Amino acid sequence: QQQVKQSPQSLIVQKGGISIINCAYENTAFDYFPWYQQFPGKGPALLIAIRPDVSEKKEGRFTISFNKSAKQFSLHIMDSQPGDSATYFCAARGDNFNKFYFGSGTKLNVKP
Amino acid sequence: DTAVSQTPKYLVTQMGNDKSIKCEQNLGHDTMYWYKQDSKKFLKIMFSYNNKELIINETVPNRFSPKSPDKAHLNLHINSLELGDSAVYFCASSQLASGNTIYFGEGSWLTVV
Repeated sequence: QQQVKQSPQSLIVQKGGISIINCAYENTAFDYFPWYQQFPGKGPALLIAIRPDVSEKKEGRFTISFNKSAKQFSLHIMDSQPGDSATYFCAARGDNFNKFYFGSGTKLNVKP
Repeated sequence: DTAVSQTPKYLVTQMGNDKSIKCEQNLGHDTMYWYKQDSKKFLKIMFSYNNKELIINETVPNRFSPKSPDKAHLNLHINSLELGDSAVYFCASSQLASGNTIYFGEGSWLTVV
């Protein structure tokens, strides 16, 4: 079964708009929650990450919101740009061996 | 300089063949991984090695055999390839103790015909 559930599967946003991608998990032992960005033909690359003792983390136009009690976290992309068009994966780390469980990915298309 | 490099990038082969994908990292990390990304983009870990020792071994057919000659290299050998093995295979690395970030290679596109 999928340890991390991600939605939506795809997202179309106008340039300048806000993109929001949501993830949910069940395992309370997860201790680190990164978001990865993947462009076509490339490997995923770390975008931003958060630990469960923090409710929000912001880096430039990218913000993670984390709700520990609801076991949910989300990625917000402010002022979305066509260059942000990519597939985004949320993930959660399950143990000390850096075993990451990935969401199913969200394909974001930012229209000019 | 590519941090995590894997070869070949593209591989088309017939069912029943045996093939290998090689991976090297120059980040000085002690842990390496193989991930499989299927046609629906779902990323799933297959194996992980820490200092040449297998630490994660997910439910993967025995036809898949990883080998780590040293901590900078992790190769994946696949025997008797099947149509369902067609996917993108990503090598990745991290520093287990100090880092939470895993760095991915650019992927190896395997197509079995």
